[in-house]
Amino acid sequence: ETGVTQSPTHLIKTRGQQVTLRCSSQSGHNTVSWYQQALGQGPQFIFQYYREEENGRGNFPPRFSGLQFPNYSSELNVNALELDDSALYLCASSLAADEQYFGPGTRLTVT
Amino acid sequence: QKEVEQDPGPLSVPEGAIVSLNCTYSNSAFQYFMWYRQYSRKGPELLMYTYSSGNKEDGRFTAQVDKSSKYISLFIRDSQPSDSATYLCAFPPSGGYQKVTFGTGTKLQVIP
Repeated sequence: ETGVTQSPTHLIKTRGQQVTLRCSSQSGHNTVSWYQQALGQGPQFIFQYYREEENGRGNFPPRFSGLQFPNYSSELNVNALELDDSALYLCASSLAADEQYFGPGTRLTVT
Repeated sequence: QKEVEQDPGPLSVPEGAIVSLNCTYSNSAFQYFMWYRQYSRKGPELLMYTYSSGNKEDGRFTAQVDKSSKYISLFIRDSQPSDSATYLCAFPPSGGYQKVTFGTGTKLQVIP
């Protein structure tokens, strides 16, 4: 196990709702990256946080937002959920640009 | 043209077979190459990381890079049922491990 935990494990939401996903980094890591993995696809980079500041963003709309806390845990928030947001959401923690370790993911289903 | 092309499989092989997994890429800026393994209901884990063209070996795994053809491969020798997973090629932008571009993944099943 990597030491990266995510909650919840599974989540079902209705289109138009908002969701918050949580990630607890591996001890000593100060960087968190979030990825979206649709069924049968590879992970797509959403954004990265380094020491509580956003440090890069992929091609995702502003309704995807995040936070990193002083203890380096992180949240991913998605507003106005769409059916296509159904996916596995992965967070990965690292010490700066060193190897990143992935959590098991949160599976989000939007109906 | 997609930035990374990877055959999604599934690929079924008998135990002990040599497995070849491949990706092509179009972005000439990719200079670093990774392979991740993802078991069902788990996050990806890094298997191999290489920079130069040629081969890099780690136990039963060999990563091969041909930059001139923009083609990378992962070979698994003496495949085991525990190798059954999805294998993702991945390309970090500048040598770090961050903001990685992943292929779609190839699902491998090794049959005992």
